Amino acid sequence: NAGVTQTPKFQVLKTGQSMTLQCAQDMNHEYMSWYRQDPGMGLRLIHYSVGAGITDQGEVPNGYNVSRSTTEDFPLRLLSAAPSQTSVYFCATRRGPLGNTIYFGEGSWLTVV
Amino acid sequence: AQTVTQSQPEMSVQEAETVTLSCTYDTSESNYYLFWYKQPPSRQMILVIRQEAYKQQNATENRFSVNFQKAAKSFSLKISDSQLGDTAMYFCAFMPQGGSEKLVFGKGTKLTVNP
Repeated sequence: NAGVTQTPKFQVLKTGQSMTLQCAQDMNHEYMSWYRQDPGMGLRLIHYSVGAGITDQGEVPNGYNVSRSTTEDFPLRLLSAAPSQTSVYFCATRRGPLGNTIYFGEGSWLTVV
Repeated sequence: AQTVTQSQPEMSVQEAETVTLSCTYDTSESNYYLFWYKQPPSRQMILVIRQEAYKQQNATENRFSVNFQKAAKSFSLKISDSQLGDTAMYFCAFMPQGGSEKLVFGKGTKLTVNP
């Protein structure tokens, strides 16, 4: 009963490096999204997907890319890491447009030095 | 654009007492969901309670209940018989019903339950 699985859980990057945060779900949910949480803030939406092959930008998309080639996976790519991207990242899923429960992964702690 | 405001950055309560956390929101949508999430030090996001805007009856989940005032755009969380395990950050969140994913969070209230 995995639910939403994020990897890695912790990562330290150097400025300018690239990396991918992985998110996988086994609930066959249509909707998947990525949020970031900065100190003293609630979660803010980075990118989201309403189905395989469909992605869109959220509130804070700059510096991140996403793709959705399968229902199960929704990776988040940092193209050239910056210290401002130091944050905790959450992947979330929802059954579909009528789904009223959002399921979160356990978070990925990213530090950019 | 929707906004969610939590006006109490920190609160504390004695064990076994009752505490109410405040949340107000701004939207032009008529159909939406409201949520309270709990975030303990582990950072896991745990759904506490959910309210559908079309339902007039306030949601309850065991010791947790809400006071939903749609006209006032207010959505407060009441925790009864507070327990030490309730110590956490609490986030109020808003989501339009249907359509795309747009969950909007408040900045959170840090709740401490004292023994």
